[in-house]
Amino acid sequence: AQSVSQHNHHVILSEAASLELGCNYSYGGTVNLFWYVQYPGQHLQLLLKYFSGDPLVKGIKGFEAEFIKSKFSFNLRKPSVQWSDTAEYFCAVTLGGYQKVTFGTGTKLQVIP
Amino acid sequence: DTAVSQTPKYLVTQMGNDKSIKCEQNLGHDTMYWYKQDSKKFLKIMFSYNNKELIINETVPNRFSPKSPDKAHLNLHINSLELGDSAVYFCASSQGDRGLGQPQHFGDGTRLSIL
Repeated sequence: AQSVSQHNHHVILSEAASLELGCNYSYGGTVNLFWYVQYPGQHLQLLLKYFSGDPLVKGIKGFEAEFIKSKFSFNLRKPSVQWSDTAEYFCAVTLGGYQKVTFGTGTKLQVIP
Repeated sequence: DTAVSQTPKYLVTQMGNDKSIKCEQNLGHDTMYWYKQDSKKFLKIMFSYNNKELIINETVPNRFSPKSPDKAHLNLHINSLELGDSAVYFCASSQGDRGLGQPQHFGDGTRLSIL
């Protein structure tokens, strides 16, 4: 069964700092990859997704992620974070053509003004 | 116009009671899901329905029973509630035949607290 690891459980950054959140998955076949964000007290929203093609994916709010197949990774990045980026971030994986989603344990990002 | 709506938003009840959470989506999606998010924010799939047909049923106690009267609705009924059932329950939906790995649209969640 596939699994998803997010090694950073809690990240604290100052505004304007650069962000990189790690995501690794364990499955050797075709995968679809997602990052979701959950703002305090709200539901999960899709930030970006990778299905195929260019491994560098751009999402909403200035986020991007890079799929590195050889490393089984899909790290999330943002060059300059804002206080409003304070939220929980979840990496998720589905096997190609199969709809069950496996979520990582989430990374809590706290941005200090 | 809410895409995935769940009711109620908060549910506080005593151990042993039976309760239901309702979910409706107006996106025209064929696949709907129930997730449980525990106090550590871990999100785990419970059930998935495609066009009223159960396609995913994870290791969930049989006190939990999903019901899908039509493809736009997926309700969750819980019998004999236990303390460990306290969590936030999210409904979600996705497009296409059995979802096929499509992004999911989530409801706002139902925070269930067992006294």
